[in-house]
Amino acid sequence: GAVVSQHPSRVICKSGTSVKIECRSLDFQATTMFWYRQFPKQSLMLMATSNEGSKATYEQGVEKDKFLINHASLTLSTLTVTSAHPEDSSFYICSARTSGRHQFFGPGTRLTVL
Amino acid sequence: DAKTTQPPSMDCAEGRAANLPCNHSTISGNEYVYWYRQIHSQGPQYIIHGLKNNETNEMASLIITEDRKSSTLILPHATLRDTAVYYCIVRGDAGGTSYGKLTFGQGTILTVHP
Repeated sequence: GAVVSQHPSRVICKSGTSVKIECRSLDFQATTMFWYRQFPKQSLMLMATSNEGSKATYEQGVEKDKFLINHASLTLSTLTVTSAHPEDSSFYICSARTSGRHQFFGPGTRLTVL
Repeated sequence: DAKTTQPPSMDCAEGRAANLPCNHSTISGNEYVYWYRQIHSQGPQYIIHGLKNNETNEMASLIITEDRKSSTLILPHATLRDTAVYYCIVRGDAGGTSYGKLTFGQGTILTVHP
């Protein structure tokens, strides 16, 4: 299957700082990418959908000014958690959809905010 | 997208077939059934999907009832590495960039034991 990478795999930051997570589709072009968040022992929750070259669409309850999403190219999307707080600590997973409708997931980024 | 219902957990002996059920009684005609699995602390992995016909690939088989209100994922010879959370998801695939989103439920925790 298609490969989606994320960087970094783990990040620890101080409260109040911003953290950027990159998501790349390595062997295909993804017109649409998705960002999910997963708290311990819970399922994945969709945060936002981003289409290349346009603004992201956020799910209800997700603060767009706190979770900045940029999808500047067909192979790269970034999620920036601004002014992170301990409650933002979570497992962030991106996903990219191919032209053939399949959706592939990255390995996830573990964010810990101290 | 239609909702799905899965048992919270199942056990299976190594080498035996694992049959994971999923109910999706409100599925509509253009919605596909997708199966993903998530091994601890990793991103979800695509397994298989289908519309109305049974499907088989190198990982699993998908059996969809004639009325499409339920399906079963079959892992023919489960191994310890198949221990994971298995998600059954129904998604509309109308084509174009407005594909339905993958909405994850709680899934089934499959434990394969020696």
